[in-house]
Amino acid sequence: GENVEQHPSTLSVQEGDSAVIKCTYSDSASNYFPWYKQELGKRPQLIIDIRSNVGEKKDQRIAVTLNKTAKHFSLHITETQPEDSAVYFCAATNQAGTALIFGKGTTLSVSS
Amino acid sequence: NAGVTQTPKFRVLKTGQSMTLLCAQDMNHEYMYWYRQDPGMGLRLIHYSVGEGTTAKGEVPDGYNVSRLKKQNFLLGLESAAPSQTSVYFCASSYSHSSGSRNEQFFGPGTRLTVL
Repeated sequence: GENVEQHPSTLSVQEGDSAVIKCTYSDSASNYFPWYKQELGKRPQLIIDIRSNVGEKKDQRIAVTLNKTAKHFSLHITETQPEDSAVYFCAATNQAGTALIFGKGTTLSVSS
Repeated sequence: NAGVTQTPKFRVLKTGQSMTLLCAQDMNHEYMYWYRQDPGMGLRLIHYSVGEGTTAKGEVPDGYNVSRLKKQNFLLGLESAAPSQTSVYFCASSYSHSSGSRNEQFFGPGTRLTVL
């Protein structure tokens, strides 16, 4: 069945360092790959996304890359700050394109 | 705009009891989704709806039923609650389907359900 694997499950960095979270997906028909951030006790919120016809997208300190051949995509956060501490989820569209399949999440801790 | 709201925020049930979770959105979104979130398991899709009067199964539909009688509301029902259904439930909505151009999912604040 459709599956999204996310690694690592936890990531600890020092303030100012970069953080990278990687995801792989199983369905070659997936064509949309969003990333959501969930702060403690809050709801998930979209932070960046990428479509299958694009290889890379940047928004200030965050960027996402996509390798369709290998079926993996990554989130890159540069110059991390304590407020980046949260759980990050990757997702990919299901085969029908009607819903998202989420990864299990990465807990990012940024220490100052 | 209230966005996506969920009722109730917290609930404690005994095994075998039934309940309904209500999700409402005021953004005129066609698509609505119910997820459950468990530690280490991420967000798992229970059921979703692509429009008023339609529903579809997600990854973990067993033990749940849903209805979308009105475009703005999406109800999640537990007919006979089990301890395995203890979880945080999130509702979300989007204007278009997940591959569409206006497909950002907006989440509600969540409902924390405990089944004893």
